[in-house]
Amino acid sequence: GAGVSQTPSNKVTEKGKYVELRCDPISGHTALYWYRQSLGQGPEFLIYFQGTGAADDSGLPNDRFFAVRPEGSVSTLKIQRTERGDSAVYLCASSLSRTTSTEQYFGPGTRLTVT
Amino acid sequence: GQNIDQPTEMTATEGAIVQINCTYQTSGFNGLFWYQQHAGEAPTFLSYNVLDGLEEKGRFSSFLSRSKGYSYLLLKELQMKDSASYLCAVRDPDNTDKLIFGTGTRLQVFP
Repeated sequence: GAGVSQTPSNKVTEKGKYVELRCDPISGHTALYWYRQSLGQGPEFLIYFQGTGAADDSGLPNDRFFAVRPEGSVSTLKIQRTERGDSAVYLCASSLSRTTSTEQYFGPGTRLTVT
Repeated sequence: GQNIDQPTEMTATEGAIVQINCTYQTSGFNGLFWYQQHAGEAPTFLSYNVLDGLEEKGRFSSFLSRSKGYSYLLLKELQMKDSASYLCAVRDPDNTDKLIFGTGTRLQVFP
């Protein structure tokens, strides 16, 4: 079946612009995560959704970052007034539910470059 | 705080065995994952340990010692395609299920 998909695969934007990154999780997966991965580093947690609600947004670096999941499926990560330091690969992952042995399935990521 | 350490880089020869270590210091523990990530691609799940001991899956095995805060990933009969980064991740002990990743170990397999 289809895995996690993310669009766009690459996004180049100018400093100060607004961007939206989209994630389509695996069908039926109720848990959805956003991570950010800088070059040479492991993924860093940003936000977690269980269904439609953001159950944990403690990883969002500041109030320029916001994410939604209005119907409990597709999620959009929104970044306002982008800065060069926001350049990274943004990964989305989904899992079936919040059980202790459930692996997270990752999408291919969106590579964001802020010039 | 949460801290996960693993070597930055390792090299090995095709056909050999390599062990990638991971140590963690977290306020609690709710499972440890290993992921493989090829350059420019998504991380893919390799293994999961929540109890002490060895989990074997084909050429890959993963070991956990909770008392020592230690895990390793063992790769046998190395192939060129095993050249990738290997990410150790601890499940958030606060039960939100988020993963806390180490920086990853970049493994290069030479012929």
